[in-house]
Amino acid sequence: KQEVTQIPAALSVPEGENLVLNCSFTDSAIYNLQWFRQDPGKGLTSLLLIQSSQREQTSGRLNASLDKSSGRSTLYIAASQPGDSATYLCAGYYSGGSNYKLTFGKGTLLTVNP
Amino acid sequence: ETGVTQSPTHLIKTRGQQVTLRCSSQSGHNTVSWYQQALGQGPQFIFQYYREEENGRGNFPPRFSGLQFPNYSSELNVNALELDDSALYLCASSLELSTDTQYFGPGTRLTVL
Repeated sequence: KQEVTQIPAALSVPEGENLVLNCSFTDSAIYNLQWFRQDPGKGLTSLLLIQSSQREQTSGRLNASLDKSSGRSTLYIAASQPGDSATYLCAGYYSGGSNYKLTFGKGTLLTVNP
Repeated sequence: ETGVTQSPTHLIKTRGQQVTLRCSSQSGHNTVSWYQQALGQGPQFIFQYYREEENGRGNFPPRFSGLQFPNYSSELNVNALELDDSALYLCASSLELSTDTQYFGPGTRLTVL
C-alpha cells in the first residue's frame, strides 16, 4: 500500500530560523516527488518537483532532497519568514497502470513567528 | 497563478442532492485529475481523465463521475450526496500522461448539510 507520512504535523519557529520538514513513503516504486504549499482554504502551489533520477532540487531559499532507497524526502527552508507560514504537503507520483497519480501526506502546518 | 480555474468557489448542498463542479485546465493540457481533500487531511485521488477518457480511478464509489471536454474543461459530478462528501475538491492539469508537474486550481469548497 502506498502511504506518505509527514513529520512533524505542526511546527512553530521564530523568524530567521532554518528548518527541515520530513516526508517518508512506503513504496519505493515512486517515480517523482513533489512538494506543495497550501495556504488556508486555498489550492496547492507547487514548490519543487524532484525527478526519480535526481537527488535534490533547489529554488531560492528552498531545497528538497529525495532518497528512494530509504523512502525519505526532506524540504529545507533557509532563513524562514512569516510569509512562509502555510501547510506544506509532499506527494509521490505512483503509477496505476497508465495513469500517474499523486499520493499525498497529511501535511506539516508551519508557523513562522515575527 | 497556475492558469487552472475552478467554479464555483463555495457550494452548500443537502444530503441526497447532486452536484457538478467545474474545472478549466491550462490550454494544451490533455490530462486532468480530481482530488478530494477533507479537513486536516491530504488530498485523495478520485480519478484522472486523459483526452476525454477516464484513465484511472481511486477508491471512490461510482456516484463520483466525471467528464472531460475538448476545450480543456472538465466536470466532477457527485450523486446522492452524503455528509462525508463535505471537502475541498481540487482539480489538477498536466500536459500529458507523465510525472511532470501537476498544476492545481484553487478548489471548490463543498459543504453537505
